[in-house]
Amino acid sequence: SYELTQPPSVSVSPGQTARITCSGDALPKQYAYWYQQKPGQAPVLVIYKDSERPSGIPERFSGSSSGTTVTLTISGVQAEDEADYYCQSADSSGTYFGGGTKLTVL
Amino acid sequence: QVQLVESGGGLVKPGGSLRLSCAASGFTFSDYYMSWIRQAPGKGLEWVSYISSSGSTIYYADSVKGRFTISRDNAKNSLYLQMNSLRAEDTAVYYCARDGDTAMVWGNYFDYWGQGTLVTVSS
Repeated sequence: SYELTQPPSVSVSPGQTARITCSGDALPKQYAYWYQQKPGQAPVLVIYKDSERPSGIPERFSGSSSGTTVTLTISGVQAEDEADYYCQSADSSGTYFGGGTKLTVL
Repeated sequence: QVQLVESGGGLVKPGGSLRLSCAASGFTFSDYYMSWIRQAPGKGLEWVSYISSSGSTIYYADSVKGRFTISRDNAKNSLYLQMNSLRAEDTAVYYCARDGDTAMVWGNYFDYWGQGTLVTVSS
């Protein structure tokens, strides 16, 4: 089955920029999406169609795509951004999520 | 506002069955594809199944194909997941989610999620 690969963890200090990558062979042909999940809560969509931001999501969240890798960038990280982040995409067989990246705000 | 409320989770023995429901409100349910997504304790997200707005198109993940059945009742604004032949590895929080773009029939994102219902498969 199709795999989306994320780093297990990323750590940054408040105010710095966090970058979380997601790699997958089908990413050049399919959109990627990003979700934030805090403990005990349902995931929240933070980026759709590679780089679009839903209403209500802070401008510090942005997405980009280059070849087989997509990147979620959080500029000026705040303590409240500490969470698990998942990328999502699809191929002809199904919809898949990356393994998740735990963002720690030091 | 959009609300999705799951119910029907619980403890079931291996080989048993369970039916999950998801009550939708705050949007025109019949316009949207809907999906079930699960998350095993301490693990990542796994897409389970999706159903088109009319119910005519359905897909399943290989891990549940032949055991789970997704359905919907647009008159009742409700989504269902019938789970049969349950295994320990089906233990998870099950979320229903709305496919966000009504113009996309595949590879869609999930713009609203319910709070989830826990299914535990154990003897």
